[in-house]
Amino acid sequence: DTAVSQTPKYLVTQMGNDKSIKCEQNLGHDTMYWYKQDSKKFLKIMFSYNNKELIINETVPNRFSPKSPDKAHLNLHINSLELGDSAVYFCASSPSASGEQFFGPGTRLTVL
Amino acid sequence: GDSVTQMEGPVTLSEEAFLTINCTYTATGYPSLFWYVQYPGEGLQLLLKATKADDKGSNKGFEATYRKETTSFHLEKGSVQVSDSAVYFCALSVPGGYNKLIFGAGTRLAVHP
Repeated sequence: DTAVSQTPKYLVTQMGNDKSIKCEQNLGHDTMYWYKQDSKKFLKIMFSYNNKELIINETVPNRFSPKSPDKAHLNLHINSLELGDSAVYFCASSPSASGEQFFGPGTRLTVL
Repeated sequence: GDSVTQMEGPVTLSEEAFLTINCTYTATGYPSLFWYVQYPGEGLQLLLKATKADDKGSNKGFEATYRKETTSFHLEKGSVQVSDSAVYFCALSVPGGYNKLIFGAGTRLAVHP
């Protein structure tokens, strides 16, 4: 009964490939987020959806495309992967566009 | 722009020592302030928060007070345990910012027996 889950936990792939990371929350929250944590542990928001509507879209290469099929899911698709995309990607959710955010366990992406 | 600055780590302490991790912020308006903790191999967990000036957040023996005059939100614990070893992140969100969290760089804490 994990609150925020992500798949896969680890993803190793070659440069130029396309990959997706999935996130699901069973908390009944309206808002979901994607954060990127680089090798120095620095965390930065990428996207946020509220009720399936994109509300935050930070300066992220357009190779990254989030998709929210419903309120409980927020997936991240990455095209033409580059070495610099290697990072840990965290999904989070909150009850609304305010309030405590609950984080998933992270997906460690390694691009070779 | 809005930002958070934390003291650099690692911070290495012996068990039962006093802990302070400094955090200062720059923000427009009146932000909410947070401390998150990341244990090895895990996601972030909210440790404590404060939403207005002079509020004190506390949890699991950790405390932090929202100081508007010094734009600070320092994390303290009177007696650390080995199980407190983790990375601690100070963060803020600003009103009208869609709950976007802006994080500091994180401070790694290592507690030895």
